[in-house]
Amino acid sequence: DTGVSQDPRHKITKRGQNVTFRCDPISEHNRLYWYRQTLGQGPEFLTYFQNEAQLEKSRLLSDRFSAERPKGSFSTLEIQRTEQGDSAMYLCASSLATGFYEQYFGPGTRLTVT
Amino acid sequence: GIQVEQSPPDLILQEGANSTLRCNFSDSVNNLQWFHQNPWGQLINLFYIPSGTKQNGRLSATTVATERYSLLYISSSQTTDSGVYFCAVVLPGNTGKLIFGQGTTLQVKP
Repeated sequence: DTGVSQDPRHKITKRGQNVTFRCDPISEHNRLYWYRQTLGQGPEFLTYFQNEAQLEKSRLLSDRFSAERPKGSFSTLEIQRTEQGDSAMYLCASSLATGFYEQYFGPGTRLTVT
Repeated sequence: GIQVEQSPPDLILQEGANSTLRCNFSDSVNNLQWFHQNPWGQLINLFYIPSGTKQNGRLSATTVATERYSLLYISSSQTTDSGVYFCAVVLPGNTGKLIFGQGTTLQVKP
């Protein structure tokens, strides 16, 4: 039974570059969530998918951010034209459908924009 | 929007001591989870506890949904308990998105 996995674990990029992160949820989970955590804060919701459909996006998700979940399996989060303010831990979680099920988190991708 | 407040923000204990962490929330919730964030940043599930009391080893949690708070008890603390503890709630509706508190940073000294 594998948990949620994320790749890469760490990413250092220069301002203006594009980056893409991947999340593989627990296999039977059809909900997938992305959160962002900055230093000293709790994670904040970015977006979520049920199967392949993206059902909600936070206002934190600017036009430079895009997320996909083709075929309802893994998901990717892309940040275009990165800014220093994008430096954060990006966390992915998955659960069974509905809000009554426990969410399980991956190890996160720590992004540093120089 | 809903407010999720955790107290205390920081806590220093001697190994072997007991502690209680509190989470207050300002509106009705469908779900509440407690997490421990390890030094590498991973969120470890401790409890899924929308109401009632659960125990797991030295840890236990109680949520009183009608009074909008939850408590996490750590007994006989160990140095490996150090880290940040988060509570997170889910509002009624079907999105399931978690809204986190600011966390309690626990340091257990040997």
